Amino acid sequence: QKEVEQDPGPLSVPEGAIVSLNCTYSNSAFQYFMWYRQYSRKGPELLMYTYSSGNKEDGRFTAQVDKSSKYISLFIRDSQPSDSATYLCAISLSGGSEKLVFGKGTKLTVNP
Amino acid sequence: DTAVSQTPKYLVTQMGNDKSIKCEQNLGHDTMYWYKQDSKKFLKIMFSYNNKELIINETVPNRFSPKSPDKAHLNLHINSLELGDSAVYFCASSPLDATYEQYFGPGTRLTVT
Repeated sequence: QKEVEQDPGPLSVPEGAIVSLNCTYSNSAFQYFMWYRQYSRKGPELLMYTYSSGNKEDGRFTAQVDKSSKYISLFIRDSQPSDSATYLCAISLSGGSEKLVFGKGTKLTVNP
Repeated sequence: DTAVSQTPKYLVTQMGNDKSIKCEQNLGHDTMYWYKQDSKKFLKIMFSYNNKELIINETVPNRFSPKSPDKAHLNLHINSLELGDSAVYFCASSPLDATYEQYFGPGTRLTVT
């Protein structure tokens, strides 16, 4: 079983839609949960991170972690064409020198 | 002002050659990484360094050798290049106690023919 699973999509939505992106993970010891965004031919950039369970909101983006189900989500409200990118979830055991394990990424296209 | 820079951006070379990719960060971070992103966009860590010391060394062929001359630089040397080495290689850096907060370079697209 892979450490983190993510549906690669692609996902295509109309502008203004609510987008839901999800990952599942296998090891309950993971404590840090991140979402990175990667535009075409660019490096990934950190969108949000969450420590342990709960929700975190930043503008139109909400990250949610359900440790009991080992499920993490990213919601994008009022999606814009500029949100078109690949979204990668990443998990880590700790904030220290542990490695990040990335999902395969979900390619999102928001159509005007 | 570029935070994490890599050179070259593109690298096309033949099988069997040796090549190097350079990375520099001006964020004052203690930790630097090399990642490989394959054609299916899967991003996988290869190495990480804390203050010039190797911390993570995933199961990478020993043809790949990282070198960190100082904490702001992490270079990747690849010997005897193979077709399967074709990928995009990303350098990243993070604060020592916040590995979740990684800043990535623009990537080096390596094509081995």
